[in-house]
Amino acid sequence: DARVTQTPRDKVTEMGQEVTMRCQPILGHNTVFWYRQTMMQGLELLAYFRNRAPLDDSGMPKDRFSAEMPDATLATLKIQPSEPRDSAVYFCASGLDGLAGRTDTQYFGPGTRLTVL
Amino acid sequence: GQSLEQPSEVTAVEGAIVQINCTYQTSGFYGLSWYQQHDGGAPTFLSYNALDGLEETGRFSSFLSRSDSYGYLLLQELQMKDSASYFCAGERALTFGSGTRLQVQP
Repeated sequence: DARVTQTPRDKVTEMGQEVTMRCQPILGHNTVFWYRQTMMQGLELLAYFRNRAPLDDSGMPKDRFSAEMPDATLATLKIQPSEPRDSAVYFCASGLDGLAGRTDTQYFGPGTRLTVL
Repeated sequence: GQSLEQPSEVTAVEGAIVQINCTYQTSGFYGLSWYQQHDGGAPTFLSYNALDGLEETGRFSSFLSRSDSYGYLLLQELQMKDSASYFCAGERALTFGSGTRLQVQP
């Protein structure tokens, strides 16, 4: 039963600390997405990778956020320094681009609930 | 870019049929997806429409009219476990609507 995994599931940290969230996409998928979900803003796309190359990170605050895919089995999202307004649930999702060059279905991980005090 | 609009809440009773609408504005269109999310859980894929018409998957159906920039999710024979938030998503699921919270009552 293939699924996207994320670690940690919960993270509580203090303002100013670095936070690293990890995601293992489903084996064979070539697209990876990072989303942030809050009550106020809903689901927001932060970054989008295809074949490990970043395609869209326009939704990500560049001064403190960074997203990478060191290899096909690992995606990371870092926040440095973290701020209370970063408190949210961060989801990773993976998918497979079809012949038309788009991912029709995304499979979401369980999310990382981040609380910045 | 793209924006998608959905009602914020819908209430229905067990066994009934409910329709959740989604209207969108987009500079480019690649299909409309629907996701379900239970409280505390992750979004899960329900359906995808690339072309006009109805797609049926069990009790759930999704419809798309590209000329009207409109789609809907139809849930039949509602069950209590269908109480969740439902999101439409466009632009290859890079943009999500704000979600519709469905409350199924006994």
